[in-house]
Amino acid sequence: SAVISQKPSRDICQRGTSLTIQCQVDSQVTMMFWYRQQPGQSLTLIATANQGSEATYESGFVIDKFPISRPNLTFSTLTVSNMSPEDSSIYLCSVIGQATDTQYFGPGTRLTVL
Amino acid sequence: GENVEQHPSTLSVQEGDSAVIKCTYSDSASNYFPWYKQELGKGPQLIIDIRSNVGEKKDQRIAVTLNKTAKHFSLHITETQPEDSAVYFCAASTSGGYQKVTFGTGTKLQVIP
Repeated sequence: SAVISQKPSRDICQRGTSLTIQCQVDSQVTMMFWYRQQPGQSLTLIATANQGSEATYESGFVIDKFPISRPNLTFSTLTVSNMSPEDSSIYLCSVIGQATDTQYFGPGTRLTVL
Repeated sequence: GENVEQHPSTLSVQEGDSAVIKCTYSDSASNYFPWYKQELGKGPQLIIDIRSNVGEKKDQRIAVTLNKTAKHFSLHITETQPEDSAVYFCAASTSGGYQKVTFGTGTKLQVIP
């Protein structure tokens, strides 16, 4: 399985600011996703990160709030823009490898917005 | 779209006993059903998965069963150990994992020593 790292692992941010989360994979992967997990809740897909093109967003999530980049097959970033306390969540990067259709998750970034 | 329901939301068992978590799905086109274990402060970890062409799959103390007619699938953990304590999520998707994976609401399992 792919080894996935995320930076930062956690952060505390002020309302109105933005935070960029990085996801790095140790091998080339077919697909990369970003999920949000609110406290005590299940996982909600934010978007599919497409290499070299605009991300595909799920209903309720927009590019202006969650801009995503994926410049190559091993790296992606998610920015949480103009943050409010409601954005306090765990943000998870997920990938599907080239030789499998199984999804693997990174360790997550725990974000607290004050 | 797909809807996955998961029960129970919490489950406490004595060490050595078995634990069963049940999920139902709504989309008859779903053909891939992974299970994830999430420990506190960590990302979900895939523990077992099953595809629609089989009815049961085992991996040591963990087994998953699938009933396509009834559209439900279950996770069975035997001889539970304290390290099995975690939140477990079921999920469903079409076309393997390449399409959107829809997650259940999670089950918090506590194994009491």
